[in-house]
Amino acid sequence: GAVVSQHPSRVICKSGTSVKIECRSLDFQATTMFWYRQFPKQSLMLMATSNEGSKATYEQGVEKDKFLINHASLTLSTLTVTSAHPEDSSFYICSASSQGGNSPLHFGNGTRLTVT
Amino acid sequence: GENVEQHPSTLSVQEGDSAVIKCTYSDSASNYFPWYKQELGKRPQLIIDIRSNVGEKKDQRIAVTLNKTAKHFSLHITETQPEDSAVYFCAASRGNTGNQFYFGTGTSLTVIP
Repeated sequence: GAVVSQHPSRVICKSGTSVKIECRSLDFQATTMFWYRQFPKQSLMLMATSNEGSKATYEQGVEKDKFLINHASLTLSTLTVTSAHPEDSSFYICSASSQGGNSPLHFGNGTRLTVT
Repeated sequence: GENVEQHPSTLSVQEGDSAVIKCTYSDSASNYFPWYKQELGKRPQLIIDIRSNVGEKKDQRIAVTLNKTAKHFSLHITETQPEDSAVYFCAASRGNTGNQFYFGTGTSLTVIP
């Protein structure tokens, strides 16, 4: 149980274009999902908390107009990287907890974004 | 906000030896501490977790200890095997519904056959 599916797993796009990443909880409802960014050989950096039916909460230094988050249902959150630039190239991972407080996060497979 | 520090950043051990990774946290309200193992290019996988009402937890070759007073917790892997080689992350959370998890900087563990 507690499977999180993320799509696409890999995407290459040109500078200036936008890319949408989907995160789905397959067998549980997630009122909250989290989006992380990971640079090579570095830790998971929390970007934003996605709340179903309301605006996402962004961490300090993360541009909300750059990284648009939509959490339209209890099983789907999307992250759109707008007007992508090469410095946006990274590994993006979503996660959710199936049981709320004091329970572990379950991660999607991640999306490797390369902006050329 | 929460600040989680993790040491060492890299660790090499001989197969069969033990490995210890240590983390400290700053938010005294944090009460849930999971450990994740991440292999190259893959998602982090939960390997063990501990809640603040417990001082130690063990699962086969893996154990975690928590010192709430000192705000630190540690991962212990005994009888290490080559397949234990990966990056390990500690995390801290307040544990309330919707609360964020903050991760340590990671430890790259290499088990030498």
